[in-house]
Amino acid sequence: EADIYQTPRYLVIGTGKKITLECSQTMGHDKMYWYQQDPGMELHLIHYSYGVNSTEKGDLSSESTVSRIRTEHFPLTLESARPSHTSQYLCASSETHEQYFGPGTRLTVT
Amino acid sequence: DQQVKQNSPSLSVQEGRISILNCDYTNSMFDYFLWYKKYPAEGPTFLISISSIKDKNEDGRFTVFLNKSAKHLSLHIVPSQPGDSAVYFCAASPSSGQFYFGTGTSLTVIP
Repeated sequence: EADIYQTPRYLVIGTGKKITLECSQTMGHDKMYWYQQDPGMELHLIHYSYGVNSTEKGDLSSESTVSRIRTEHFPLTLESARPSHTSQYLCASSETHEQYFGPGTRLTVT
Repeated sequence: DQQVKQNSPSLSVQEGRISILNCDYTNSMFDYFLWYKKYPAEGPTFLISISSIKDKNEDGRFTVFLNKSAKHLSLHIVPSQPGDSAVYFCAASPSSGQFYFGTGTSLTVIP
């Protein structure tokens, strides 16, 4: 069983606020990912990392930023939240092909 | 443009019968495919995978079939159980690249 954690699970925040979504995994996986998913839509890759100090943007343009200072930690930051950022954010990690997902953060920006 | 498509948003099946979920892809460079299961308010859970060197992979009640010429894969669940009710996503990737996900099919297994 994979151990990957995301906090908070739910967040309602006002426009213009800075937020950080946390993601941690205890499996020692080098690869970590952030996806954004809207209801009834596919998961879109917004950021990924193949190791410490390595981060890349995914196909979906995102105003968020990520950091990878430690193997187990991959936080995502929005400097100024907007209603268009309302979505579910899913973090995942992998060693080979299979990705293990966290429970997700449901973000609502009012 | 969507590279992985699940054209059936929902499927209902009687308990004990077979569930067949379908997935089509457009990129001939894809060579690894996965199925995930997702319950509400939870993250996707890995279910089963298949690489392009095989055309079938089986794990208990779950079997994935791959038809490379048709760029089509399917997930068979037999027999279906009420606990299988969830959203199922297929995903595909080239040998060393990101995964592309479908939009999901919501399966309801009726007791």
